[in-house]
Amino acid sequence: KAGVTQTPRYLIKTRGQQVTLSCSPISGHRSVSWYQQTPGQGLQFLFEYFSETQRNKGNFPGRFSGRQFSNSRSEMNVSTLELGDSALYLCASRPGGGLTEAFFGQGTRLTVV
Amino acid sequence: GQQLNQSPQSMFIQEGEDVSMNCTSSSIFNTWLWYKQDPGEGPVLLIALYKAGELTSNGRLTAQFGITRKDSFLNISASIPSDVGIYFCAGPLYSGGGADGLTFGKGTHLIIQP
Repeated sequence: KAGVTQTPRYLIKTRGQQVTLSCSPISGHRSVSWYQQTPGQGLQFLFEYFSETQRNKGNFPGRFSGRQFSNSRSEMNVSTLELGDSALYLCASRPGGGLTEAFFGQGTRLTVV
Repeated sequence: GQQLNQSPQSMFIQEGEDVSMNCTSSSIFNTWLWYKQDPGEGPVLLIALYKAGELTSNGRLTAQFGITRKDSFLNISASIPSDVGIYFCAGPLYSGGGADGLTFGKGTHLIIQP
């Protein structure tokens, strides 16, 4: 079974721009969640989607948004980028059904200049 | 959300030594997960624990779900160079579990000295 795939692996954007990151979960997994990882704050939960519905959202501003498609693929969008948004963005997939185990992709390294 | 305290922050050990690290929570958890992350990669799930007192092994790794349900431990026996990396504990962000996000410890950075 293929793992979680995130694209692109690396991105450089300018302050004020917006960015869209993509995630394809493990086949058969219906839950996709997103995390931001920085040296200072560690791994922080952004939001989780299950069957195209946002189930939970972390403590991030409204500039961070996401969506999930009927094939379980997910995208996250960050608008009006700030320097502090530079981070490794990780996507994780879960089968759903109450299981907590999450399987991560390799991440997208976003650098805002 | 719940917060996790993971210790130690870093460990400098020699190849062949055993390693122990732990994680504590201010609240009761119903699940503990342990991950390893290599530089530039996403975290890889090592062990999942679902019952208080549970002891689970994965090769040279052994993890335990504390009886109080507020802590968990990870041991690595006879460390080898490929064990180098950052180890994270994780649990449900909210006590309800299920379709929740995860909360993570700050990580234990394992460094193996030649």
